[in-house]
Amino acid sequence: GAVVSQHPSRVICKSGTSVKIECRSLDFQATTMFWYRQFPKQSLMLMATSNEGSKATYEQGVEKDKFLINHASLTLSTLTVTSAHPEDSSFYICSAARGQINTEAFFGQGTRLTVV
Amino acid sequence: AQKITQTQPGMFVQEKEAVTLDCTYDTSDPSYGLFWYKQPSSGEMIFLIYQGSYDQQNATEGRYSLNFQKARKSANLVISASQLGDSAMYFCAMSSIQGAQKLVFGQGTRLTINP
Repeated sequence: GAVVSQHPSRVICKSGTSVKIECRSLDFQATTMFWYRQFPKQSLMLMATSNEGSKATYEQGVEKDKFLINHASLTLSTLTVTSAHPEDSSFYICSAARGQINTEAFFGQGTRLTVV
Repeated sequence: AQKITQTQPGMFVQEKEAVTLDCTYDTSDPSYGLFWYKQPSSGEMIFLIYQGSYDQQNATEGRYSLNFQKARKSANLVISASQLGDSAMYFCAMSSIQGAQKLVFGQGTRLTINP
């Protein structure tokens, strides 16, 4: 079946530094990928929609300058958390849909970010 | 705007019993998709089952079935013959149009299977 790979699975960084998270669709082309954030004991909240070859679409309240998204190819989207602060510590997870109409969103394994 | 509501924060079930996890939704879209995902402690999101709003029959996938009641706007997940490995968080989600586009998730239900 289709697989979405996310890397790294865990990262600890110092406050003020930037962290890049990769999301790859391994056996299909994904023109659109989605980035979610999940705080402890909470649900997944959509942060942004990553569109191949164009700018990402951010949800209300998500700072586009802080969470940089690049979707340079049909199989790779990256999320960069810039100038990370402890409040950015969270579980970040991406998903990709194969084609416009599909019955399953494939999720990456997620990245647990801890900012110290 | 779409909204998913899961009213059961936690459920405790004896092994081998069936369990129903509740999910109600609200949307003004005429076409939508409903999903259930399982999230173990590792954090990965495991797809369980999908129901399209125009599907005539309730979806089934092995031990999982979706009790879709469109008029009541509910999409409950039924797990038959529960197993210890079913212990996890379960999320109900929906997408606009009958396709896996961006998903809106409910608050989740933590299911614990007791031996």
